[in-house]
Amino acid sequence: GDSVTQMEGPVTLSEEAFLTINCTYTATGYPSLFWYVQYPGEGLQLLLKATKADDKGSNKGFEATYRKETTSFHLEKGSVQVSDSAVYFCALSGFMFSGGYNKLIFGAGTRLAVHP
Amino acid sequence: DGGITQSPKYLFRKEGQNVTLSCEQNLNHDAMYWYRQDPGQGLRLIYYSQIVNDFQKGDIAEGYSVSREKKESFPLTVTSAQKNPTAFYLCASSPRHGEGQPQHFGDGTRLSIL
Repeated sequence: GDSVTQMEGPVTLSEEAFLTINCTYTATGYPSLFWYVQYPGEGLQLLLKATKADDKGSNKGFEATYRKETTSFHLEKGSVQVSDSAVYFCALSGFMFSGGYNKLIFGAGTRLAVHP
Repeated sequence: DGGITQSPKYLFRKEGQNVTLSCEQNLNHDAMYWYRQDPGQGLRLIYYSQIVNDFQKGDIAEGYSVSREKKESFPLTVTSAQKNPTAFYLCASSPRHGEGQPQHFGDGTRLSIL
């Protein structure tokens, strides 16, 4: 079945460092891909998305490109801040014909800790 | 502002007790979902509903029940049959149609056993 694999955390960086969080997926068809962020004690917030191959999603300095040839959707940011400390989830959405709805499948999450 | 409201933020359950978690949305979304999140893990789908008066089991529905009497509301009951209920529960919603629609999440309810 469809699945998402993320790099294990925690990822610990100094402020202004470059961030990459790897995400690869397995899916039939052509899913949409998402990155969500979860701050402590809160729900998930959509960070960015891409709906087809070669699309680049971007938001708040974060970017991710939908790479069909490598089945990847790696999250990057050029200069992280302490306020970026959170758990990041990669997810894919595939239309489930049997259920007729958009099912979201999540990776296990990657915790990012940024220190001053 | 439109959004999803979950209550309470913290909930405690005694052995053998049923508890109900509230989820209300004012986004006019047709579809609603309940997820369970355990430490260090991703989210697992418990139940989902595409329209009023209809809902389907997700991947881990045993020990849970839901209702969808109104478009805005999708309460989750954790029954005494759920032997390991301690977790963070997240409610989400999305437009029903259109592939690739993101889901919008509430702030969650943390359930613990007394």
